[in-house]
Amino acid sequence: GESVGLHLPTLSVQEGDNSIINCAYSNSASDYFIWYKQESGKGPQFIIDIRSNMDKRQGQRVTVLLNKTVKHLSLQIAATQPGDSAVYFCAENILYQGAQKLVFGQGTRLTINP
Amino acid sequence: NAGVMQNPRHLVRRRGQEARLRCSPMKGHSHVYWYRQLPEEGLKFMVYLQKENIIDESGMPKERFSAEFPKEGPSILRIQQVVRGDSAAYFCASSLRSPDPSTDTQYFGPGTRLTVL
Repeated sequence: GESVGLHLPTLSVQEGDNSIINCAYSNSASDYFIWYKQESGKGPQFIIDIRSNMDKRQGQRVTVLLNKTVKHLSLQIAATQPGDSAVYFCAENILYQGAQKLVFGQGTRLTINP
Repeated sequence: NAGVMQNPRHLVRRRGQEARLRCSPMKGHSHVYWYRQLPEEGLKFMVYLQKENIIDESGMPKERFSAEFPKEGPSILRIQQVVRGDSAAYFCASSLRSPDPSTDTQYFGPGTRLTVL
């Protein structure tokens, strides 16, 4: 069944501040996680991914943290900009008998206040 | 544009009609996935296809829905006898199929927004 969920459905931050979006997953066997950004009327856009053999990965202004002990993911966005306003989804890649699929969380809507 | 292409972007159908949604994967990608998204919700997996093969259709309703990915041409998601509950955004994704399938990144298209009147 569905195994990925988010703690906060909405998040508002001031422009320039850092934001943290959280996600919990329940399948301890999952070994690949992805964060997607979805702007209104568009498809999900890949932001950053992380494999289960890592606990941290950094990109440009974004950092993903993975805590396998408590099955928790977070996405940190530094120095937020107006263009960061979107819905952010974590997704867990489920691999079963050679077939894979993504299980998405509900999503967190991030709003950047000027 | 080398991204995933979907058309139409918007589709309006009356109850009982058929809806056909098309998806062209990224160049070089041979794996296609279809997802459905209701307003204010996350995407739900429907089906995973490779060329001429359905690999996993565990998320697809047993009736009225079908998908194909022919040797030539785009992948098609077909919904027969649409009902109002079929109204949603349908997204297609494609992947390259890396040597390690557990880390195969999926890239999404812009989606088709289906409205059933």
